[in-house]
Amino acid sequence: AQTVTQSQPEMSVQEAETVTLSCTYDTSESDYYLFWYKQPPSRQMILVIRQEAYKQQNATENRFSVNFQKAAKSFSLKISDSQLGDAAMYFCAYTRAGHYGGSQGNLIFGKGTKLSVKP
Amino acid sequence: GAVVSQHPSWVICKSGTSVKIECRSLDFQATTMFWYRQFPKQSLMLMATSNEGSKATYEQGVEKDKFLINHASLTLSTLTVTSAHPEDSSFYICSASKWGQPQETQYFGPGTRLLVL
Repeated sequence: AQTVTQSQPEMSVQEAETVTLSCTYDTSESDYYLFWYKQPPSRQMILVIRQEAYKQQNATENRFSVNFQKAAKSFSLKISDSQLGDAAMYFCAYTRAGHYGGSQGNLIFGKGTKLSVKP
Repeated sequence: GAVVSQHPSWVICKSGTSVKIECRSLDFQATTMFWYRQFPKQSLMLMATSNEGSKATYEQGVEKDKFLINHASLTLSTLTVTSAHPEDSSFYICSASKWGQPQETQYFGPGTRLLVL
């Protein structure tokens, strides 16, 4: 069974600094997708960044970037120039690729990391 | 865009009553809709997956007779919590994947907070 582990329950960063959130996963699949979702106090899940396992290049979205190490099954999120609005729960998630219907394609979430941003 | 709405956003009900939560994809047709449950300070746990016009697939440990899911159209799925009890109090979130796009991309609704007294 696939699992996603986030070993940091809480993290804190100074405004304008950089922080890295860790995520490891376990799977026997070769083709899959990884995600980082942000859940602010409103509890609306917001997609931050998405990585296809077959792509070697790390995904980036403005101040957000990932370090994807497929062999190590590691998928960390780096937030640069942290802003107060970045404060939220961050969830790492995994899903198998290329499946439709049934229970396939569902997201498996880690337990989350609560990020605080200090002004 | 890909907007998913949920209604109601919060609901309080008495123990023993049934509650229906709607999940709608507003500007796209959803191939599949997913229902998650989230307890305070915990992660999202998948309850079931539903495809339009077919029976939902429930995750292990989720009572299908208690959590009824109907996916009548490509834009609407409903979750009915039957004979609700206080332990059913939780935050319920739906998500939808777009027709014609990889199912890997899911768009989340804003969630429904259920409190059973």
